[in-house]
Amino acid sequence: GAVVSQHPSRVICKSGTSVKIECRSLDFQATTMFWYRQFPKKSLMLMATSNEGSKATYEQGVEKDKFLINHASLTLSTLTVTSAHPEDSSFYICSARDPVGGGHNQPQHFGDGTRLSIL
Amino acid sequence: AQTVTQSQPEMSVQEAETVTLSCTYDTSESNYYLFWYKQPPSRQMILVIRQEAYKQQNATENRFSVNFQKAAKSFSLKISDSQLGDTAMYFCAFMKTSGNTPLVFGKGTRLSVIA
Repeated sequence: GAVVSQHPSRVICKSGTSVKIECRSLDFQATTMFWYRQFPKKSLMLMATSNEGSKATYEQGVEKDKFLINHASLTLSTLTVTSAHPEDSSFYICSARDPVGGGHNQPQHFGDGTRLSIL
Repeated sequence: AQTVTQSQPEMSVQEAETVTLSCTYDTSESNYYLFWYKQPPSRQMILVIRQEAYKQQNATENRFSVNFQKAAKSFSLKISDSQLGDTAMYFCAFMKTSGNTPLVFGKGTRLSVIA
């Protein structure tokens, strides 16, 4: 079945570092991918919609200069947390839907998430 | 805009018993999909069950079934014969049928299955 691979699964780095997270659709083409953020014991909050070949659409309150999204191919979207600070520590998870192979009623396929810790 | 409400932050159930998790939603859409996702401590998002709004028949998947009341905008999840492995966060989610749209999640219900 459709699989979404997210890498890395865990990142620990110093404040001020930029961190890139990759989200790949392994056996289908995803023109759209979604990036969510999840705080401990909370729900998933949509950050942005990543569109292949065009600019991402950010949700209200999400800083586009802080969270850079690039969707350069039909199978890869990246989220870069620029100049990360401790308040950026969170669980980030991506998702995509297979619009061709899965059909219009198929759910989102999720990556396994990235646990980001900024010291 | 769509909203999803899960009014039970935490629930517990004895092993082998049945438990029902509540979910209500609000939308002006006539066609949409509803989902229940399970998130164990590993934080993987696992699809439990899905329901197409145009279908009146309630979806079932082995021990998991839903009670979908479209007029009431209610979508509860029933877990029968609860197992220790069912311990997890459960999220109710909504998705429009039109376009490639994201999921809208409820706040989740933390379910603990007790031996």
